[in-house]
Amino acid sequence: EAGVAQSPRYKIIEKRQSVAFWCNPISGHATLYWYQQILGQGPKLLIQFQNNGVVDDSQLPKDRFSAERLKGVDSTLKIQPAKLEDSAVYLCASSLRVNYGYTFGSGTRLTVV
Amino acid sequence: DAKTTQPPSMDCAEGRAANLPCNHSTISGNEYVYWYRQIHSQGPQYIIHGLKNNETNEMASLIITEDRKSSTLILPHATLRDTAVYYCIVRVGDSGYALNFGKGTSLLVTP
Repeated sequence: EAGVAQSPRYKIIEKRQSVAFWCNPISGHATLYWYQQILGQGPKLLIQFQNNGVVDDSQLPKDRFSAERLKGVDSTLKIQPAKLEDSAVYLCASSLRVNYGYTFGSGTRLTVV
Repeated sequence: DAKTTQPPSMDCAEGRAANLPCNHSTISGNEYVYWYRQIHSQGPQYIIHGLKNNETNEMASLIITEDRKSSTLILPHATLRDTAVYYCIVRVGDSGYALNFGKGTSLLVTP
């Protein structure tokens, strides 16, 4: 089975610019997650979708971050405007159901300069 | 979710068993223990999970103490490719919410 696809792999932007990341989960996986991983730390959940509905976005900085999952399949995560502290790897994961093992993509490494 | 404590780093010789400990003394009866690992520049990878019985799969074994306050992930014959950060996570099995990752244990397998 194909894995979780993410793009782009790397992105460098200037502060105050906007950026978007794309995730295509494993086919049939109802649950999709976006995590932020700052260097030296474990992944931190930003948002969790169940099909196209949001289950948990309590740690998403909603003044600058937004995410959507149209039709319950692909998802995009957007940052506008970006700050220096947003430099991190953004990981997308999916699972068949919430309590099943997650499959992660390789992530998008964002550098804000 | 219960808090977990893991050593920040460990070493293991190639071919030997790697035993990674995790303390979760505040675990409740309906919380599972999950293990993931993250190889450099990749996303985390699911390894194994369990409730109270010991579990084994093709990757590893999970030993949970009888009081469930601690567990050990065992990689029976560590290889260089097992060098990674290993995360122990405790969560209610049917909580419906995502896993929260801590800092994990950085395992270095040496030749």
